[in-house]
Amino acid sequence: GAVVSQHPSWVICKSGTSVKIECRSLDFQATTMFWYRQFPKQSLMLMATSNEGSKATYEQGVEKDKFLINHASLTLSTLTVTSAHPEDSSFYICSARDFGSGTYEQYFGPGTRLTVT
Amino acid sequence: QKEVEQNSGPLSVPEGAIASLNCTYSDRVSQSFFWYRQYSGKSPELIMSIYSNGDKEDGRFTAQLNKASQYVSLLIRDSQPSDSATYLCAVTLSGTYKYIFGTGTRLKVLA
Repeated sequence: GAVVSQHPSWVICKSGTSVKIECRSLDFQATTMFWYRQFPKQSLMLMATSNEGSKATYEQGVEKDKFLINHASLTLSTLTVTSAHPEDSSFYICSARDFGSGTYEQYFGPGTRLTVT
Repeated sequence: QKEVEQNSGPLSVPEGAIASLNCTYSDRVSQSFFWYRQYSGKSPELIMSIYSNGDKEDGRFTAQLNKASQYVSLLIRDSQPSDSATYLCAVTLSGTYKYIFGTGTRLKVLA
C-alpha cells in the first residue's frame, strides 16, 4: 500500500518551454501532496504544499507563477514548470500523505529528473 | 529558522556491525519524526516513524527519540552492503504536516 507514482520519470526540454509533471497516489486518497526539489548532493527542499480543491501554498523564495501547481482530485497533483531555464534543471519529487491514516507519514514518488537545455 | 542537523559522513561500518545515525532538531514543539533511506538517483523511502520518547524497533532498525534533548537516532543492526545509502532525518514543522529534512548522512557498509 501507500504507492505514489510520478510521470514522466525524466524529461529534457528546451529553454523557454513548459513542462508538466504528474503525481498520483495509487491506492489511497491524498488531500495534501508536497513538491520538493533536490539538487545534486543536497537534501530535499520543499517547494510547495498542494491541497485538493484549494490553492497551493508556496515556500519562501519559490515563484508561484513559475511553478504552477494544480491539485484537481484526491489522487492527482500536477506541477508545471513554466518558461523553464537551465537553472531549473533538478530532481523534482512529490510526496503524499494518506488522508485516512491519521499519521504524518509522507510517501514519495520516484521523482522526475528535469534537464533544460 | 527551524533546523534539522545531521553529520554528512560518510559513516563507514563493516558488514555485520551496528550503524548509528544521529539527528538533532531545533523546534521544541515538533511531534513527529521520520527516517528515510535514499539511494543515489532515487527518491526517499520511509524506514521508520517515531512519535513518542523511547525506542521503536522494526526488524534490523531501531529508532530512538529523546524530546528533552531534541535528538532522534537510527540504529541499523547487522549492517549489509545493501544498506549503503543516504539516510535522511525528517521532522514535522509544528502545527503543520510539512517536513523539515536534514542534509542526510551517507552510510557505507564495507563488505
